[in-house]
Amino acid sequence: DQQVKQNSPSLSVQEGRISILNCDYTNSMFDYFLWYKKYPAEGPTFLISISSIKDKNEDGRFTVFLNKSAKHLSLHIVPSQPGDSAVYFCAASASRGYQKVTFGTGTKLQVIP
Amino acid sequence: DAEITQSPRHKITETGRQVTLACHQTWNHNNMFWYRQDLGHGLRLIHYSYGVQDTNKGEVSDGYSVSRSNTEDLPLTLESAASSQTSVYFCASSESRGTKETQYFGPGTRLLVL
Repeated sequence: DQQVKQNSPSLSVQEGRISILNCDYTNSMFDYFLWYKKYPAEGPTFLISISSIKDKNEDGRFTVFLNKSAKHLSLHIVPSQPGDSAVYFCAASASRGYQKVTFGTGTKLQVIP
Repeated sequence: DAEITQSPRHKITETGRQVTLACHQTWNHNNMFWYRQDLGHGLRLIHYSYGVQDTNKGEVSDGYSVSRSNTEDLPLTLESAASSQTSVYFCASSESRGTKETQYFGPGTRLLVL
């Protein structure tokens, strides 16, 4: 049973436009959420996180929104750049500590110049 | 610069053979992790360690073992490789500093079991 779901395996966006990556979760105990970016032949790198006490967290061009009632989070990238082309993983945890993190299956973002 | 490395980057082995994947980090992190990534599953935790001599099972630990004899290394051993263990393996390390904890991943090892 996939507790963290990324239903869009891929997404294409024009350079300069907004990219919106979505993630749904089923476990109501999850209270900490993370996004990772992964380039081919490299390991994932941490991008941004959000605690369940917040509904928004911004870091430069990246903003994560959390809707706890809908068990939904999204990552917005504005403006999108070709270097943002990568696989993005959503992850969730019921407590601090990476031993409890559950990852989604990833969304491949392609930013078209 | 501190880093986390994995070796080999690619490995082909046969069913039944013992295989060891190396992970080395120079962050001086106490926490180290092994994940596997498979299509349709995201990353799944195999084993993790909070320090020297400490090891714990993750979600998909069957057929794998780890040992932690020093801070820098967490080798992953497949006792008797199976085709179902064909995957990409990622090692990671992290350190908790107050409320902030960031996890750093290695570049991955692609393992093919024939």
